[in-house]
Amino acid sequence: QLQLQESGPGLVKPSESLSLTCTVSGGPISSYNYYWAWIRQPPGQGLEWIGHIFFGGSTNYNPSLRSRVTISVDTSNNQFSLSLASVSAADTAIYYCARLTLESLSSGLGTRFDPWGQGTLVTVSS
Amino acid sequence: IQMTQSPSSLSASVGDRVTITCQASQDISNYVNWYQQRPGKAPKLLLSDASNLEAGVPSRFSGSGSGTDFTFTITSLQREDFATYYCQQYDTLPLTFGGGTKVEIK
Repeated sequence: QLQLQESGPGLVKPSESLSLTCTVSGGPISSYNYYWAWIRQPPGQGLEWIGHIFFGGSTNYNPSLRSRVTISVDTSNNQFSLSLASVSAADTAIYYCARLTLESLSSGLGTRFDPWGQGTLVTVSS
Repeated sequence: IQMTQSPSSLSASVGDRVTITCQASQDISNYVNWYQQRPGKAPKLLLSDASNLEAGVPSRFSGSGSGTDFTFTITSLQREDFATYYCQQYDTLPLTFGGGTKVEIK
């Protein structure tokens, strides 16, 4: 079955950029039925959608993070990536990647997140 | 769209009926999903479209509602159900989650 696995540094210094990669196995990332998403969860807190990407490259971002976020896709390696610039302690969180069922390519709307990766904790600290 | 979940936590015993509510800040039809998150694990999708049970999810889980008010119910709480539950709307971007309800053992 489809599996997702996050990878990247667990510690990032303030003002630097956070970079994570999600490797998808058990199915192609080049699907017309799905987006590929990033969600984060600060320790002990709730879930926040960061953004998602279609294999063709179109992206949608949370307005609260849009100025700092870039999501990209590498179909040859079945991976997609997250970059978050100018991080601060407020960006300390567990970062999850997930598949998002595509509802509308024109609106960028997706419906449900399933499955999810196991998550990776990124701590922002000097 | 703001999703307001209540209560934020509850204590219950095995066998109890548990009900969680989620209120949307505007009409979102039935565009709500429910997730379960066990400690240290990723969220798992339980219900979609407010009331559709995902494959393999026990029938003791159910959901209802439309418009702005949604309900998630566990009819007979099992030990493995002690977890945090989240609602999520997909009517409009940005996709948003409720604040979560932690179900603890009484």
